[in-house]
Amino acid sequence: DTGVSQNPRHKITKRGQNVTFRCDPISEHNRLYWYRQTLGQGPEFLTYFQNEAQLEKSRLLSDRFSAERPKGSFSTLEIQRTEQGDSAMYLCASGTDNQPQHFGDGTRLSIL
Amino acid sequence: DAKTTQPNSMESNEEEPVHLPCNHSTISGTDYIHWYRQLPSQGPEYVIHGLTSNVNNRMASLAIAEDRKSSTLILHRATLRDAAVYYCILVPLISSGSARQLTFGSGTQLTVLP
Repeated sequence: DTGVSQNPRHKITKRGQNVTFRCDPISEHNRLYWYRQTLGQGPEFLTYFQNEAQLEKSRLLSDRFSAERPKGSFSTLEIQRTEQGDSAMYLCASGTDNQPQHFGDGTRLSIL
Repeated sequence: DAKTTQPNSMESNEEEPVHLPCNHSTISGTDYIHWYRQLPSQGPEYVIHGLTSNVNNRMASLAIAEDRKSSTLILHRATLRDAAVYYCILVPLISSGSARQLTFGSGTQLTVLP
């Protein structure tokens, strides 16, 4: 069990640029989640995949946010035309049905 | 989603037991009580969960009130490495395909004093 891996750990970009984050879940986990966490708050759910199917995306913050999980393995989260308010920690978690979620250590995004 | 209430912060001395309370008066019959913790600069880490009976594992114990409207996470001997934000979360038992996402509150910031 190598755990959930997220890359990069830190991303600094200028406002208006596009960014993409990658999550590699634990290999046998069919469920994959993305969360966002701002300073002093608990993580906030964004979207969920079961295998390659994105079954819940209504919580994505705007149409600038999109996620994919091709072939049901790794996942990417993209933010287009970044804004100051997008600065946050983006967390990925994986799991199986009715079992606890395992989190990565996140990607910290800073918008200049 | 059913809501939980936790104190904002607690302090403990090193090597002493810590009891972290959580109130969840609107819990439904199929909600599991999960605890996660988040150390600085890390993602949340699963600690323990239960439904009705008290539970023990290598990290902690979970004591659940008979009416299930409250629970307590017990760390038997706090160490400096236990300093973290502790989250109490209600997680429904769902069918395959449902998201079952975690709804985090603000948690309890535990400070362990040497």
